[in-house]
Order: sequence, then structure tokens, then C-alpha cells
Amino acid sequence: EAQVTQNPRYLITVTGKKLTVTCSQNMNHEYMSWYRQDPGLGLRQIYYSMNVEVTDKGDVPEGYKVSRKEKRNFPLILESPSPNQTSLYFCASSLSYRGTEAFFGQGTRLTVV
Amino acid sequence: AQRVTQPEKLLSVFKGAPVELKCNYSYSGSPELFWYVQYSRQRLQLLLRHISRESIKGFTADLNKGETSFHLKKPFAQEEDSAMYYCALRDAGNTPLVFGKGTRLSVIA
Repeated sequence: EAQVTQNPRYLITVTGKKLTVTCSQNMNHEYMSWYRQDPGLGLRQIYYSMNVEVTDKGDVPEGYKVSRKEKRNFPLILESPSPNQTSLYFCASSLSYRGTEAFFGQGTRLTVV
Repeated sequence: AQRVTQPEKLLSVFKGAPVELKCNYSYSGSPELFWYVQYSRQRLQLLLRHISRESIKGFTADLNKGETSFHLKKPFAQEEDSAMYYCALRDAGNTPLVFGKGTRLSVIA
């Protein structure tokens, strides 16, 4: 089944403790992105990647890192999480050509205390 | 820079009433426009795209380049339409989607 898989689904952590949220897709998509979803602010893009070893900042990259060593994986790294990073995170992937849709993961709800 | 505006955070309508979710965009080129829907506790999924000119679950959206709008419409709302709706834009180049802030549609029985 074609899908985007994020892990974990839920995570509660403490300020400053490094964490990684994984994202994997099995559709051989070039594009992958991370978004955070906050009430009243909608979806904001954190980072995106247009292919292996190609990443770029989105609208709200501060406090996050990403890597794209393989086409299927695009982990999101929080080196030193802070409470303002408490949010719902979505990973998405798509093909690179016009007209294609983005497929989303099921979301990761992160709480930083 | 590309920008997508959804002016309504919340829209409440009665079952059977017409629905229009507004989306305006700013982009000088030839964009691709999409509507995504997020039902309660589910992931976002594509509802429709302007290229396909399709009707999904009774919803339609027409790209109006003169008004730079891509409003989502349905003639008769159903309770199961209650969800969060996001308008999204992608330009002609190799860039990811840009989303609006979303509109929560609540259909009241």
C-alpha cells in the first residue's frame, strides 16, 4: 500500500532532550516536506527536500534540522526542543512534476514540557 | 512570493444549505491549485485539484484567474462534510505546496 509513515504518533518530552521524528514513504517520491499545524496558524512548512541530499528551509525552520540521505526517508530532528515546538507535525511527499498531489503522514503530536 | 489566503477560520452552515469556502492567492505565474481536507483525527488528503476540473463528494472549485480565487463550493452541505479544509498552491517550477491557514467547516444538523 502506498503510504507515508511517521513515527512516533505521540511523543511527550522534556525541554532540551534531543529527539527525532521519522518519516518514510514507499512511492519513490522526489519531494518530501515537514509541516507543523497549530490552531489559527494552519500548516506551516518547516523544511523541504527536492531530492536526496537536497534540502531547503521552509517558513519556520528555526530549531529544526532535517536530512535526506535516502530517497524514502526524511527525518525531522529537534536538537534542543522547547515548549514552543509543541505542535502537530506532518510529513508529506509527492512526485516532482506538475499536477501531482502530496501524500501526508498520519501526524505526530509532540508535547515539550 | 506565493501566498494563499483563506479569510474564514470557521464557517458554520446548516445541513442542506450551500457551502462556499473562500480561497484567494497571489502569484504572478500559472499556478496549480488544490483543496485538501482533514477529517477529525485523520491525515490530510487531497479533495480536488483545478487541473482535473472534477467534482468530489459533491464539491467543485473553479480557478478564476481574474479574481485570483479558487473557492470551494457544494450546493447542499452534509454533516460528514464537517472538517478542516486547506487551499494550497504550487507554482510551475519545482517547489512544494504552499498552504492557506485553513477553514474549519461545521455542518449543523
